[in-house]
Amino acid sequence: NAGVMQNPRHLVRRRGQEARLRCSPMKGHSHVYWYRQLPEEGLKFMVYLQKENIIDESGMPKERFSAEFPKEGPSILRIQQVVRGDSAAYFCASSPKFGFPQHFGDGTRLSIL
Amino acid sequence: QKEVEQDPGPLSVPEGAIVSLNCTYSNSAFQYFMWYRQYSRKGPELLMYTYSSGNKEDGRFTAQVDKSSKYISLFIRDSQPSDSATYLCAREYGNKLVFGAGTILRVKS
Repeated sequence: NAGVMQNPRHLVRRRGQEARLRCSPMKGHSHVYWYRQLPEEGLKFMVYLQKENIIDESGMPKERFSAEFPKEGPSILRIQQVVRGDSAAYFCASSPKFGFPQHFGDGTRLSIL
Repeated sequence: QKEVEQDPGPLSVPEGAIVSLNCTYSNSAFQYFMWYRQYSRKGPELLMYTYSSGNKEDGRFTAQVDKSSKYISLFIRDSQPSDSATYLCAREYGNKLVFGAGTILRVKS
């Protein structure tokens, strides 16, 4: 299956710990997007990256959240000092060109104890 | 006002029925509209995308955009229990997608 791969599928952290979420885009896709889905809410855009560049991070919380897409390896969404409100499903999408169509992975479900 | 409005449902129909799912949007900028299907505990799956106004058909699915009324629709013919899922409408907004809250569809056999 050459789809968007996300891991881990489930991640449990205690308040104050760090969470690292990984995303490997579809083969041939060089554009990566991260979205967050809070309980009872729709998907919200967080950040758009190309290899080694953050293009648009207008949806990222100002503190504790960062993202990268290195030249080699998967894209990483990093959340430092997690709080209960960070509990959500985090989805990664990729596209072969700017914007769309975007194909999604099955997400990482983050639970904060 | 939300950028994309969608009735969360749930919408319950008998097997074989024609299903109509709808969204409204508020900003006329940008041209592409998408429909995604999301099963429980899975990621959104792209069903269809349309450009500007008009209809697009793919098997049992038809997507329709009416730019004059800012209304987008997805029709599902001969609905099946396997169509039971959450349906998300989205529009492109430059490099990102803006989603509606999703409509839960239940098709009963």
